[in-house]
Amino acid sequence: QQQVRQSPQSLTVWEGETAILNCSYEDSTFDYFPWYWQFPRESPALLIAIRPVSNKKEDGRFTIFFNKREKKLSLHITDSQPGDSATYFCAAWGNTGNYKYVFGAGTRLKVIA
Amino acid sequence: GALVYQYPRRTICKSGTSMRMECQAVGFQATSVAWYRQSPQKTFELIALSTVNSAIKYEQNFTQEKFPISHPNLSFSSMTVLNAYLEDRGLYLCGATDWGGKNTLYFGAGTRLSVL
Repeated sequence: QQQVRQSPQSLTVWEGETAILNCSYEDSTFDYFPWYWQFPRESPALLIAIRPVSNKKEDGRFTIFFNKREKKLSLHITDSQPGDSATYFCAAWGNTGNYKYVFGAGTRLKVIA
Repeated sequence: GALVYQYPRRTICKSGTSMRMECQAVGFQATSVAWYRQSPQKTFELIALSTVNSAIKYEQNFTQEKFPISHPNLSFSSMTVLNAYLEDRGLYLCGATDWGGKNTLYFGAGTRLSVL
């Protein structure tokens, strides 16, 4: 059973547009949601993260919008750049005793110049 | 800042032989280390989660007999792939977390295993 789901599987936007990546989860005990990005032939790196005490987290062109009631969150990338082309992973973690991070399957973003 | 060094970056081994990969946490205490394998489709498979002073928990389809892990202190962990075969190929990632800090999972650079 997939606890963290991401959509779309792949996304192509033009340079300058806003890319919207979606994530949903099932376990209401999750209380930390990091997004990782991964470039080809590299390992995932932490991009931005949010905790449910907030419904929005912003870092430059990257913003997470969080809806706790619907168990959904989204990553918005404004003014997308070709260098943003990567695979983006939504992850979730909860203090339920097993201390496991659960990852979504990823969204492959391509930004065309 | 928090960093996780993982080595080797790439390794090639003959079918049936074993290889060991290591992770070193710098700048924070690696209270917990998770070992993942990333498939060509980019999905993450959790192999096991090791927390200092607790038993190592292996996920379904992964065993200590195949992937023995050592986590002797708050800065170091290693995992060995025993009797590697073609199906063991992939990118192995270690992720370390400081549960007393921000709970952020920091990944190493990964070890890409090829099996001949």
